[in-house]
Amino acid sequence: DSGVTQTPKHLITATGQRVTLRCSPRSGDLSVYWYQQSLDQGLQFLIQYYNGEERAKGNILERFSAQQFPDLHSELNLSSLELGDSALYFCASSVARGGQGDYYGYTFGSGTRLTVV
Amino acid sequence: KNQVEQSPQSLIILEGKNCTLQCNYTVSPFSNLRWYKQDTGRGPVSLTIMTFSENTKSNGRYTATLDADTKQSSLHITASQLSDSASYICVVSDRGSTLGRLYFGRGTQLTVWP
Repeated sequence: DSGVTQTPKHLITATGQRVTLRCSPRSGDLSVYWYQQSLDQGLQFLIQYYNGEERAKGNILERFSAQQFPDLHSELNLSSLELGDSALYFCASSVARGGQGDYYGYTFGSGTRLTVV
Repeated sequence: KNQVEQSPQSLIILEGKNCTLQCNYTVSPFSNLRWYKQDTGRGPVSLTIMTFSENTKSNGRYTATLDADTKQSSLHITASQLSDSASYICVVSDRGSTLGRLYFGRGTQLTVWP
């Protein structure tokens, strides 16, 4: 157990629908990062939050949004889903304020597998 | 363009054998390089992280090397085990402080056969 909790583990939904993925960071970590990993693709950075505020944006579609709550858990909202949104979505957390490149590194959760049919 | 290229794309070895995975990058300015192991359907787990001044780092049977001049890294696995079957991902950071970005390779899929 990495200490980063993601729910649900699996999600199957229809095109056009909206889903919410949840991430609880490791205790003490203030930064949360979201990544998308499509089949046979590398991890793509979506967005980072630090202590409730958006810190950095990557290749996140306008149909996607995220937020981090006062208890530091984060939610990734995916709307108007398309078949191409089917992927593994990972959350990572770190204690540091810095961006993805922070030396202290961070810990990944086990991911949510989203299947859009 | 900042990129991370890994080779080979896939590799099959017999249990007990050694292997070496390669990573070439063009990321600049360089901050640090990490190797992750990702089991199928699971999140990546960090194996090693190296900064510019480090040219080798070990974690058990895993040894990573870094040549910052040629922008190459390798991950050497000694005495492979069935549990080493996974994707190994090379990740390079372009900055060590605020708003640094990570660049991910596509990974090398390693399969260890008994």
